Amino acid sequence: GAVVSQHPSRVICKSGTSVKIECRSLDFQATTMFWYRQFPKQSLMLMATSNEGSKATYEQGVEKDKFLINHASLTLSTLTVTSAHPEDSSFYICSARDSRGPSGYTFGSGTRLTVV
Amino acid sequence: KQEVTQIPAALSVPEGENLVLNCSFTDSAIYNLQWFRQDPGKGLTSLLLIQSSQREQTSGRLNASLDKSSGRSTLYIAASQPGDSATYLCAVWTGNQFYFGTGTSLTVIP
Repeated sequence: GAVVSQHPSRVICKSGTSVKIECRSLDFQATTMFWYRQFPKQSLMLMATSNEGSKATYEQGVEKDKFLINHASLTLSTLTVTSAHPEDSSFYICSARDSRGPSGYTFGSGTRLTVV
Repeated sequence: KQEVTQIPAALSVPEGENLVLNCSFTDSAIYNLQWFRQDPGKGLTSLLLIQSSQREQTSGRLNASLDKSSGRSTLYIAASQPGDSATYLCAVWTGNQFYFGTGTSLTVIP
């Protein structure tokens, strides 16, 4: 089945630095990938939709200059959290759809970001 | 805007019990509904996908039902095991994005 690899699984960074999270579709091409954020005890919230070769679409309230998304190829999307602050600490998950089958969307394993 | 609610928020049952998790959504205009499992600090594992035209799906000890008109879905877990302990999320796909519930945290006590 479709596999989405997300890296790193955990990252701790200092306040003010930037962190890049990668999301790869391993055995299929994904023209669209989605980035979600999940705070403790809360649901996953869509942050942005990443489209290969074009600008990402951000949900209301998500700062596009802070959360930079690049989808330069059909198998890779990256999310860069710039100038991270402790309130950016969260669990970030990407997902992509394998258009070959009806099985819905496949999710990455997530990245736990802690900003200290 | 679509809102997805899951009840209960937490559930603790002894091993071997059958249990039902509930999911409700406010807008019936959905393409499909998925149930996911999330282990602590981990990503999502898709358990069952029900298309909007379907009533239920089964996989092993899991059975999910969908009543689109009333905006409800249930996940039935038979003969629960300690390994079933996790958070279970339901999500509806509207054609543009997923809307997730807040999850039910399940603990199966040996």
